[in-house]
Amino acid sequence: SAVISQKPSRDICQRGTSLTIQCQVDSQVTMMFWYRQQPGQSLTLIATANQGSEATYESGFVIDKFPISRPNLTFSTLTVSNMSPEDSSIYLCSVADGHTGELFFGEGSRLTVL
Amino acid sequence: AQSVTQPDIHITVSEGASLELRCNYSYGATPYLFWYVQSPGQGLQLLLKYFSGDTLVQGIKGFEAEFKRSQSSFNLRKPSVHWSDAAEYFCAVVQPNDYKLSFGAGTTVTVRA
Repeated sequence: SAVISQKPSRDICQRGTSLTIQCQVDSQVTMMFWYRQQPGQSLTLIATANQGSEATYESGFVIDKFPISRPNLTFSTLTVSNMSPEDSSIYLCSVADGHTGELFFGEGSRLTVL
Repeated sequence: AQSVTQPDIHITVSEGASLELRCNYSYGATPYLFWYVQSPGQGLQLLLKYFSGDTLVQGIKGFEAEFKRSQSSFNLRKPSVHWSDAAEYFCAVVQPNDYKLSFGAGTTVTVRA
């Protein structure tokens, strides 16, 4: 199974600022995803982080708000731009094991916007 | 579009009693099915998965789930719950080889002594 590390684990930010979340995997993975979990809610897929190309965003999410980088097969970043209190959520990185079909999650980054 | 329904928002169960969490999905073909658990302040942990084959699957922590194609269901069970099982449980589905999970709303399990 893949071990996924996310930084920061939590942060408190001011409205209008931006925060970048890092996701590091202990092995090379083809498929990497970013999810959002708003308070008391389930998880929603934000985008697929594609290595060497632009991320693929789900409906309701745009690159200007959630720019994503994927410079190699073990690392990705998600930036939450121009934050508002509505962006207060847990952001989770996920990777897929192409051999077993399993999907693994990081511990999440809990973001609070004041 | 595929969807996942977890009818029970909150379940309270006594320690040592059995637990069953319901999950129904709507999808044209049989998807891959997962159950995850999220303890307070923690990330998601995979309990078990179903891809094909035996419809009764065993997972970690004494959990099992049964896939019923006729009912489009994938219910999670545990014969005897422990206080440490108090957590949020999510059912999730994905189209084979897609890997984009669709999650249910989650079921909060409270365990009373």
